[in-house]
Amino acid sequence: SSELTQDPTVSVALGQTVSITCQGDTLRGYFATWYQQRPGQAPVLVIHATNKRPSGIPDRFSGSSSGDTATLTITGTQAEDEAEYYCNSRDSRGYHLFGGGTKLTVL
Amino acid sequence: QVTLRESGPALVKPTQTLTLTCAFSGFSLSRTGMCVTWVRQSSGKALEWLALLDWDDVKYYNPSLKTRLALSKDTSKSQVVLTMTNVDPSDTATYYCARAQWFRLDTFFDSWGQGALVTVSS
Repeated sequence: SSELTQDPTVSVALGQTVSITCQGDTLRGYFATWYQQRPGQAPVLVIHATNKRPSGIPDRFSGSSSGDTATLTITGTQAEDEAEYYCNSRDSRGYHLFGGGTKLTVL
Repeated sequence: QVTLRESGPALVKPTQTLTLTCAFSGFSLSRTGMCVTWVRQSSGKALEWLALLDWDDVKYYNPSLKTRLALSKDTSKSQVVLTMTNVDPSDTATYYCARAQWFRLDTFFDSWGQGALVTVSS
């Protein structure tokens, strides 16, 4: 079955750049989407179609993809970026799936 | 402004059927590309996609839950209803509905409800 794999935890120093990756076969054919979720809150869309930012999302968030791996990059990480990040994609049958999430800690 | 709000019982007994309603505004589910999706999250766990209803009334279900899930809509009320049969304590979670936009190679969930916490317990 399809699945998306993320590293469970990542840490970054304040103001530095961090990358969060997501790996899965569906990413070879469909775009990755990224969601940010702070504790106790609903997820928020931060990147879709691999590298498109919705209005209101800071431009320090960017995305890229190569082969079966999508990457979310935060440049100049701020304290408020500390959160859980989930990748998502769909497969050829229209089923959607989430990665297991990456907890980002800002040091 | 797009808004979505989930409603339903906070407590359900094992083996019962859970019915959740998503009331939305600010968009038309009849417009090409517009969808409503359901996602749940057990405490401390990852997001889990459950189901999606598209503009053409096509329904998609998580294969692992497909036999227990059903989607319906009430266009006049701008509501989408998710039913889950034969619930179990493992179904205890916060259930979110969200607007989804569907493109050829891209689907994204750009507006979310605040979530509804459902506990399954006798």
